[in-house]
Amino acid sequence: GESVGLHLPTLSVQEGDNSIINCAYSNSASDYFIWYKQESGKGPQFIIDIRSNMDKRQGQRVTVLLNKTVKHLSLQIAATQPGDSAVYFCAENFGNEKLTFGTGTRLTIIP
Amino acid sequence: ETGVTQTPRHLVMGMTNKKSLKCEQHLGHNAMYWYKQSAKKPLELMFVYSLEERVENNSVPSRFSPECPNSSHLFLHLHTLQPEDSALYLCASSQEDGDNSPLHFGNGTRLTVT
Repeated sequence: GESVGLHLPTLSVQEGDNSIINCAYSNSASDYFIWYKQESGKGPQFIIDIRSNMDKRQGQRVTVLLNKTVKHLSLQIAATQPGDSAVYFCAENFGNEKLTFGTGTRLTIIP
Repeated sequence: ETGVTQTPRHLVMGMTNKKSLKCEQHLGHNAMYWYKQSAKKPLELMFVYSLEERVENNSVPSRFSPECPNSSHLFLHLHTLQPEDSALYLCASSQEDGDNSPLHFGNGTRLTVT
């Protein structure tokens, strides 16, 4: 069946460095993608989204890249800070179907 | 403040108890959702309500019973749960169901079934 997954379950990055979190999706018809951040004891928090008619979208310190050819989504976080430590997961959507979520990558910022 | 408030934050209940989870959204959204989050698993959609009407029941056991009295409030009534039902239960809302807009989540209720 279709699924959304992440390449790495954990990622450690030095504070101040840039981080890249990757996500592979298998439904080539998916047309909407979201990145969420979940801190300990909290619910998922929307970070950024992108539609399939775009390849790149930028937010504050974050950039999402979409490569439809290889069905790959990435989240780049610039100049990481301790507050960026969290679990990040992607979600995909096709048409009116419900969002399908990945299992998440735990990002740890090393001081 | 997430705009979606869930109570209680933590709940411990025995298998014969009856309890309810409450969710309130202050965002003016028309769709509300219940998700289950277990360790090392993707979020599992349980129920979807759009304009107070249930539009999806994702094969959830009948021991979970949702209620949506209005577009701002959502409940999940629990009875005769099993230990494997222990998880984080997340409520979410969106502008409309199926309109490709992001979900806004509450902070969840951590449920432990003993």
